[in-house]
Amino acid sequence: SYVLTQPPSVSVAPGQTARITCGGNNIGSKSVHWYQQKPGQAPVLVVFDDSDRPSGIPERFSGSNSGNTATLTISRVEVGDEADYYCQLWDSSSDHPEFGGGTKLTVL
Amino acid sequence: QVQLVQSGAEVKKPGASVKVSCKASGYTFTSYDINWVRQATGQGLEWMGWVNPNSGNTGYAQNFQGRVTMSRNTSISTAYMQLSSLRSEDTAVYFCARGFRRIVGATPIYYFDSWGQGTLVTVSS
Repeated sequence: SYVLTQPPSVSVAPGQTARITCGGNNIGSKSVHWYQQKPGQAPVLVVFDDSDRPSGIPERFSGSNSGNTATLTISRVEVGDEADYYCQLWDSSSDHPEFGGGTKLTVL
Repeated sequence: QVQLVQSGAEVKKPGASVKVSCKASGYTFTSYDINWVRQATGQGLEWMGWVNPNSGNTGYAQNFQGRVTMSRNTSISTAYMQLSSLRSEDTAVYFCARGFRRIVGATPIYYFDSWGQGTLVTVSS
């Protein structure tokens, strides 16, 4: 199956920019989606199709995808952005969705 | 608005089965897959499989083949996930999630645009 690699943790100060990566073989040729999960809550879709935002998601959340790395960027980070973030895509080889291992974003 | 409401927490003994429900509202139930994703405490998200509410067709992750059954009742817009031969490692929160699917060229695009609140299943003797 297709392996998605995320750093276990990322730390950032309020007001700064957080970048969370998702690595995979030629991931730039695939469509990547990102979810935010706060403690005790269900995941929420924050970016789909590499860089699109669902309605209601702040413009501070953006995404990019090229080569072997997809990136979720959170600008002007707020304390309320502290959460786990997961990347996800469709694995054509196994014909099912695949999640990355998740990244814990800590806002210092 | 789209809503997925799951059944309540369950406590089961090893070897037993559990059936979790997911009631959909706010959209045409038969137009989108319902997926099941589980999360053990402190762990990541693990996709288990899906059911197509229109056809009843299912697809399961290899890890759960032979132990999981996903079904639906279109008359009440509800999907179900049954997991059998439970073991302690199955203790987790189980989420249902609506799957959005489209094809762009040869590339399938699939993501989860709405989630249920989660159901805690505890397996303990």
